Amino acid sequence: AQSVAQPEDQVNVAEGNPLTVKCTYSVSGNPYLFWYVQYPNRGLQFLLKYITGDNLVKGSYGFEAEFNKSQTSFHLKKPSALVSDSALYFCAVRGGSGNTPLVFGKGTRLSVIA
Amino acid sequence: GAVVSQHPSRVICKSGTSVKIECRSLDFQATTMFWYRQFPKQSLMLMATSNEGSKATYEQGVEKDKFLINHASLTLSTLTVTSAHPEDSSFYICSARGMDGVAGELFFGEGSRLTVL
Repeated sequence: AQSVAQPEDQVNVAEGNPLTVKCTYSVSGNPYLFWYVQYPNRGLQFLLKYITGDNLVKGSYGFEAEFNKSQTSFHLKKPSALVSDSALYFCAVRGGSGNTPLVFGKGTRLSVIA
Repeated sequence: GAVVSQHPSRVICKSGTSVKIECRSLDFQATTMFWYRQFPKQSLMLMATSNEGSKATYEQGVEKDKFLINHASLTLSTLTVTSAHPEDSSFYICSARGMDGVAGELFFGEGSRLTVL
């Protein structure tokens, strides 16, 4: 069975500092990994994905994530946080076969303090 | 990216009535759409997978007679909450996969907040 773990409910970081939002996963076969962001009372917006290729994936709004197969992790990072990055972040995984739906982590609330 | 439109964004109804939520893919065809439910401060719970021209596949614990899903065309899926009760109050989000197939990201609607009085 597929699963995603986001071990932190909340991450606080000062504006301008680097941020990391952690994600680990479990899936059969090759994983397709995704990060989404959700603002209050809104749907989810796609940030980035890893399918194959370079382990470091760059996405929207300056975010990037590093796929680490040995640690089964896909942590989201940004070199310099902005107050506007404050939102709820979801990591998601899908096993690489068939029309399987995404499985989401529980979400991590990022708060960037000015 | 692809656009998914969801309507209505907010709906308030009386207990016992039925509510229909529409999900449209505006600039691409979606053979498969997914319906999620999100409780306050919680993650998304997959309710069902909606397949164009066939019956939806429901996740365990989701009542198919209560949450009716119809995917009549490649651009429209509807979720009808029948005989709604206050415990059905929630944020419902639909999504559709982009044209990259199984490797494609999901594109989400803006969500529909249902409040049952």
